[in-house]
Amino acid sequence: DQQVKQNSPSLSVQEGRISILNCDYTNSMFDYFLWYKKYPAEGPTFLISISSIKDKNEDGRFTVFLNKSAKHLSLHIVPSQPGDSAVYFCAASEGEAQGGSEKLVFGKGTKLTVNP
Amino acid sequence: DTGVSQDPRHKITKRGQNVTFRCDPISEHNRLYWYRQTLGQGPEFLTYFQNEAQLEKSRLLSDRFSAERPKGSFSTLEIQRTEQGDSAMYLCASSPRTSGRPTTSAAAYEQYFGPGTRLTVT
Repeated sequence: DQQVKQNSPSLSVQEGRISILNCDYTNSMFDYFLWYKKYPAEGPTFLISISSIKDKNEDGRFTVFLNKSAKHLSLHIVPSQPGDSAVYFCAASEGEAQGGSEKLVFGKGTKLTVNP
Repeated sequence: DTGVSQDPRHKITKRGQNVTFRCDPISEHNRLYWYRQTLGQGPEFLTYFQNEAQLEKSRLLSDRFSAERPKGSFSTLEIQRTEQGDSAMYLCASSPRTSGRPTTSAAAYEQYFGPGTRLTVT
């Protein structure tokens, strides 16, 4: 039972354009959401996060949007660069505030290719 | 480099053998997590420690799997009587999170991952 879903296995964009990666979740107890980036033969590296009390968080070229009622979040990368080519994972955590688990639950990932 | 390190990076073993992996977290990080990733999937949670205490175990962690963090620093993950289905990338992560410190910051839940140990069971 996939609690975090990334329905697009791959995405290809031109350098300089916007990349939009989507993520849906089913567990209403998730309060914290994180995006990770992964290159081959390396572990995932943290990109950006958002808590459920916010609907937007921005860090440089990366912005994450959260629509809690739709249980949907998206990662926007503007402008996209060839070095952004990697697999992007959406992850969620319940957090411990209400006795939830702090483990991260990951989606299957979306492979982003930015073409020069 | 003071990131999370894992050893070995690659392990090939025959079915039925036991294997042990080691993870060294970022110094002074209280939390240590183990995940498993198979081809085409995201990392799946196995277990985590707060210092030396094992706080949560996934149903994925069968009786053949055991994890320890004896002195609250490095951790080992042992798989006994390996099966071909155990072939995967085993990822370790650490975090400075501590129980009992409420936060509304998502960044507090960031986990720092090591490069992983790729296990192949033949």
